[in-house]
Amino acid sequence: SAVISQKPSRDICQRGTSLTIQCQVDSQVTMMFWYRQQPGQSLTLIATANQGSEATYESGFVIDKFPISRPNLTFSTLTVSNMSPEDSSIYLCSVGGSGELFFGEGSRLTVL
Amino acid sequence: KQEVTQIPAALSVPEGENLVLNCSFTDSAIYNLQWFRQDPGKGLTSLLLIQSSQREQTSGRLNASLDKSSGRSTLYIAASQPGDSATYLCAVRSNTGNQFYFGTGTSLTVIP
Repeated sequence: SAVISQKPSRDICQRGTSLTIQCQVDSQVTMMFWYRQQPGQSLTLIATANQGSEATYESGFVIDKFPISRPNLTFSTLTVSNMSPEDSSIYLCSVGGSGELFFGEGSRLTVL
Repeated sequence: KQEVTQIPAALSVPEGENLVLNCSFTDSAIYNLQWFRQDPGKGLTSLLLIQSSQREQTSGRLNASLDKSSGRSTLYIAASQPGDSATYLCAVRSNTGNQFYFGTGTSLTVIP
């Protein structure tokens, strides 16, 4: 299994600001994903973070709003830009290994 | 498109009771199915992974079954404890690509 560290674990942000979430994995992984979980909802895939190239975004998510970096096989960042209260969610980093998904502890963002 | 449903949405049981959580999916062309546990405001913890060729997996008091042809999986929890209180999610991985589809979860409360 993979150990995934995410930070911050939670934050309260002001409308219009941006926040970057970091995800560090204890081993090299090929597949790394970013999910959003809005209050009371299930998980929605934002994008697949690709090492050395641009992330692959799902329908409804765009790079200008959610820029992602993946400089190597153990680290990725997700930025939530120009935040609004609708962005209040838990953001989850996930990695895939042998078909099994592992998740970080999540970053709980509240936008005022 | 794959759709994953979990019924019931919420379940409350007295401590010590055995219980079953259900997960249904519409497309039987899956690579595997995974059960997770999520505590409030936290990330997901992997409980059990069942490959498409398997019928069941067991870990301690947990037993997960898979009937791919009927599009169903169950998670059986024996001798429930208050510490089992959490939301349980199932996710299926498609046969093609790296798509994972999540259910909406079952919120379990075990009453002491």
